[in-house]
Amino acid sequence: QVQMVQSGAEVKKPGASVKVSCKASGYIFSDYYMNWVRQAPGQGLEWMGIINPSGDSVRYAQKFQDRVTMTSDTSTSTFTMEMRSLTSEDTAVYFCARSLWGNWFDPWGQGTLVAVSS
Amino acid sequence: DIQMTQSPSTLSASVGDRVTITCRASQSVGTWLAWYQQKPGKAPKLLIFRASSLNSGVPSRFGGSESGTEFTLTISSLQPDDSATYHCQQYHTYPPTFGGGTKVEIK
Repeated sequence: QVQMVQSGAEVKKPGASVKVSCKASGYIFSDYYMNWVRQAPGQGLEWMGIINPSGDSVRYAQKFQDRVTMTSDTSTSTFTMEMRSLTSEDTAVYFCARSLWGNWFDPWGQGTLVAVSS
Repeated sequence: DIQMTQSPSTLSASVGDRVTITCRASQSVGTWLAWYQQKPGKAPKLLIFRASSLNSGVPSRFGGSESGTEFTLTISSLQPDDSATYHCQQYHTYPPTFGGGTKVEIK
């Protein structure tokens, strides 16, 4: 079955960087894009960006343009999201979610909690 | 960015009730709207795409409709398993944006 399995929870100090991975399986990797969405505690969903499977086309939400890098590894069917210069405002659950370009998200990874605290 | 306004933010209803959640877009998104169900500690799950198309495996008590920039998610007969937060999302224009969510509680 189609699934994305994300890496485990992270605890980081302010100013640090974090990498979250999302390993896809159960479908033809090259057929779908991957989105990254985050959800702060008790808050709604916030789209961060989208990457194509070959990794050579990425679109970021303006808010994350300068701090986030999304990559793809076709050899391992894994997408990675790196965020730099973390602050407490970045404490959230980060999800990957599959889609076609300009389409709904289905399915989603299980989520990765990133906690930023001094 | 297109703003998506959901209402109500919370609702409480009894098993068997008909429940309606509304999502209003700040500009036209056509029928490029999805609904997701999210349970505590879990990832969102796609319920409806293209405003009214039911995703595979989703019970038929869930339905979606559209009237201009207003979209509605209806649960025809609320079940205990439907206790969750529901999110709308427009994917007509980048960036895709979500409503604030509606928490559905069972009385």
